Amino acid sequence: AQKVTQAQTEISVVEKEDVTLDCVYETRDTTYYLFWYKQPPSGELVFLIRRNSFDEQNEISGRYSWNFQKSTSSFNFTITASQVVDSAVYFCALSEVTDSSYKLIFGSGTRLLVRP
Amino acid sequence: DAGVTQSPTHLIKTRGQQVTLRCSPKSGHDTVSWYQQALGQGPQFIFQYYEEEERQRGNFPDRFSGHQFPNYSSELNVNALLLGDSALYLCASSWERGGRDEQFFGPGTRLTVL
Repeated sequence: AQKVTQAQTEISVVEKEDVTLDCVYETRDTTYYLFWYKQPPSGELVFLIRRNSFDEQNEISGRYSWNFQKSTSSFNFTITASQVVDSAVYFCALSEVTDSSYKLIFGSGTRLLVRP
Repeated sequence: DAGVTQSPTHLIKTRGQQVTLRCSPKSGHDTVSWYQQALGQGPQFIFQYYEEEERQRGNFPDRFSGHQFPNYSSELNVNALLLGDSALYLCASSWERGGRDEQFFGPGTRLTVL
């Protein structure tokens, strides 16, 4: 069965520290997508990144970077020089695709608190 | 370009009552998915609608039902509410032909069952 595990329930850092959020997934599919979403206190899920299972290149977007390793079924997310505005709950998600439908399977989330 | 909208924002009901939540997809999107997010957990897939039909369903009882209208908007209905139905209900929309995996989420409806 498809599964996403985010072992870190809560992380607290001081502003400007680097922080890595871990994500481990399980799937039998050969083609799949991995996602990271940010959920601020307002509740709306904000899309951060989508990664195709065939593309293992790491990606950097400003202070954000993602490390995808198929060999360990991991898709970790690093925030460099964290800021107070980064405080939120972050979710890793895995796509489950059938011939007729598509859905996301989410991890339980990691709450990040960045203290000034 | 309006994103995904949901109404109402908050809702308080009592056990046994029925509730209807509404979702308007992002402009150009034709597929709507509903997720339930209990406090402290990740969203759980409820079901997905395309061409006014439910085409996949998650592990939720029949008390949860839905509908999609010709304009692609959607409703989620929950009957015989239980305390455990208290959650944030998220709607996500996507475009079947343009990227089924790109789901855009609305702000959610927070349902409290007393």
